[in-house]
Amino acid sequence: NAGVMQNPRHLVRRRGQEARLRCSPMKGHSHVYWYRQLPEEGLKFMVYLQKENIIDESGMPKERFSAEFPKEGPSILRIQQVVRGDSAAYFCASSPEVGGGYTFGSGTRLTVV
Amino acid sequence: GESVGLHLPTLSVQEGDNSIINCAYSNSASDYFIWYKQESGKGPQFIIDIRSNMDKRQGQRVTVLLNKTVKHLSLQIAATQPGDSAVYFCAENRPLSNTGKLIFGQGTTLQVKP
Repeated sequence: NAGVMQNPRHLVRRRGQEARLRCSPMKGHSHVYWYRQLPEEGLKFMVYLQKENIIDESGMPKERFSAEFPKEGPSILRIQQVVRGDSAAYFCASSPEVGGGYTFGSGTRLTVV
Repeated sequence: GESVGLHLPTLSVQEGDNSIINCAYSNSASDYFIWYKQESGKGPQFIIDIRSNMDKRQGQRVTVLLNKTVKHLSLQIAATQPGDSAVYFCAENRPLSNTGKLIFGQGTTLQVKP
């Protein structure tokens, strides 16, 4: 079992560009979560998805951010027109069911220059 | 603001000593708590969890204690080793969210001196 796979590990974007972060959950896991971590801080919930459905996006900024988890393929977190404040580590986690702990990936570190 | 917090940002211990990392939460309805360990450049790694119907749970070298009366959670690490050096986060799940969303504390850095 390869665990939760995130890519790329590091991503550098200029202000105004788009960032696409990918997450492949563990085999058998149909629940995907995205969290953001600013330097020296804890993780902040962004969005929870199941296959083809966004269940809870209460932590997502209203603009520029979107997420999807298609029937086939990885979950994608998309940030349009990135700004310096978007620079952070973005972690994906997956679980086989709701209400328990989940497994995190190694994260994508986004740097906006 | 955040309802889960840690009392100390950094804890420094001697190798071989026991470590205790504390966490406070404010939502009495929270029913599930997890401790995660995060090493530099890596994702959070599950250590141990506990449900609100328990007050103690033990793993290998780790023990989690839950005091619902004062809404306090602690992680005890026995015979701390250099490999235990990391940032430790507590997280809570609020049942009313019904989505498995976890609320994380700010984290405590554990430094183990050889």
